[in-house]
Amino acid sequence: QVQLVQSGAEAKKPGSSVKVSCKASGGTFSSYALSWVRQAPGQGLEWMGGIIPIYGTANYAQRFQGRVTITADESTSTAYMDLSSLRSEDTAVYYCARTGGVRCRSGSCSFTDSYFDYWGQGTLVTVSS
Amino acid sequence: SYALTQPPSLSVSPGQTATITCSGDKLGNKYVCWYQQKPGQSPVLVIYEDTKRPSGIPERLSGSNSGNTATLTISGTQAMDEADYYCQAWDSSTGVFGTGTKVTVL
Repeated sequence: QVQLVQSGAEAKKPGSSVKVSCKASGGTFSSYALSWVRQAPGQGLEWMGGIIPIYGTANYAQRFQGRVTITADESTSTAYMDLSSLRSEDTAVYYCARTGGVRCRSGSCSFTDSYFDYWGQGTLVTVSS
Repeated sequence: SYALTQPPSLSVSPGQTATITCSGDKLGNKYVCWYQQKPGQSPVLVIYEDTKRPSGIPERLSGSNSGNTATLTISGTQAMDEADYYCQAWDSSTGVFGTGTKVTVL
């Protein structure tokens, strides 16, 4: 059974950065993909990007390009999401989610048609001056 | 950018059928997933690849997808089905979620 445990709540100032961690247990960390999804208070879900640890390459949603960095450390089975230039609109709960159904061929992987089958408990990031 | 539209809310009586729609351009050409989220909890995958149920998801939840509309059907709705439901698909390598539907079991 896959379990994803995220780091605790963060309070940040506008313009700063935040790094949220997601430690996985169960299954083989390097063989599956992990995505980050956020949810602003009272709002819907938003996919930010994902990574396949065995390849180390990340895909990002265009609206977060240049501001988000997703990494993974296979030695500790931990994924990280780093979001910079924070603004008040980034106040949200950030979830990591194992991503099943990712298709890889010759080292190139596609998230298209994948699904989020296990989720972390969420990390609240509050951005306020 | 690609958009998925859901009705904001839906009320259903216990034992009745709830039908939640998700609309998007040529959505039938994509795989759709559905997630259930209860207050204060993380989302749970309830349908993937249009019609498949993960282990542990009751048979009363079913999905379909054709044309521009995907549908999540909850047959014999129970109080425990009261939650927010989100559809999700991929467009141009980007994950897109629907606007969400709040299902109330009266």
